[in-house]
Amino acid sequence: GENVEQHPSTLSVQEGDSAVIKCTYSDSASNYFPWYKQELGKRPQLIIDIRSNVGEKKDQRIAVTLNKTAKHFSLHITETQPEDSAVYFCAAKWSAGKSTFGDGTTLTVKP
Amino acid sequence: DGGITQSPKYLFRKEGQNVTLSCEQNLNHDAMYWYRQDPGQGLRLIYYSQIVNDFQKGDIAEGYSVSREKKESFPLTVTSAQKNPTAFYLCATSKESNQPQHFGDGTRLSIL
Repeated sequence: GENVEQHPSTLSVQEGDSAVIKCTYSDSASNYFPWYKQELGKRPQLIIDIRSNVGEKKDQRIAVTLNKTAKHFSLHITETQPEDSAVYFCAAKWSAGKSTFGDGTTLTVKP
Repeated sequence: DGGITQSPKYLFRKEGQNVTLSCEQNLNHDAMYWYRQDPGQGLRLIYYSQIVNDFQKGDIAEGYSVSREKKESFPLTVTSAQKNPTAFYLCATSKESNQPQHFGDGTRLSIL
């Protein structure tokens, strides 16, 4: 199976600063890497994703980078705002239907 | 997501009782999933189904059962064999198995 490690488990930044969350995976067959944002008591929502044939993808203040050789991918949030505060999960899809999630990063953006 | 309905929102289980969590979708998605989330942890896959009348075990299937008789519905039964059922249960769907997953609002299950 797949093993996904996510770091850090908690991250506190000042409003306007950047935040970076990293995930490593073990199965080289993994080919799809989504990131989800979950606010307290709510459902996870997809914020960005990347496939294994792409090295970087951006969507406004959010970007994801993928290094297939090193088997790691990262979420970058620039110009953070208080509403970015949430738990962020990475995931790696390694077989038909199966994805493994990281344990999550609690991001706090201080005004 | 609009289009994925989980019910009930809160559910209480007595000792020795089976309970069923409902997940209905009108997105016409082929794939459906059940995840369990414990406090401070990530999502763990219980069961998934890529097509009607077919489903596979995930990483923590023991004590759970599912059915997929209709494309729109993927109910999860938490049996009495699941000794620690207290958790937040999330249903998800995707158009195909290699497409993004969309989540319902979840069911919070507790033991009485």
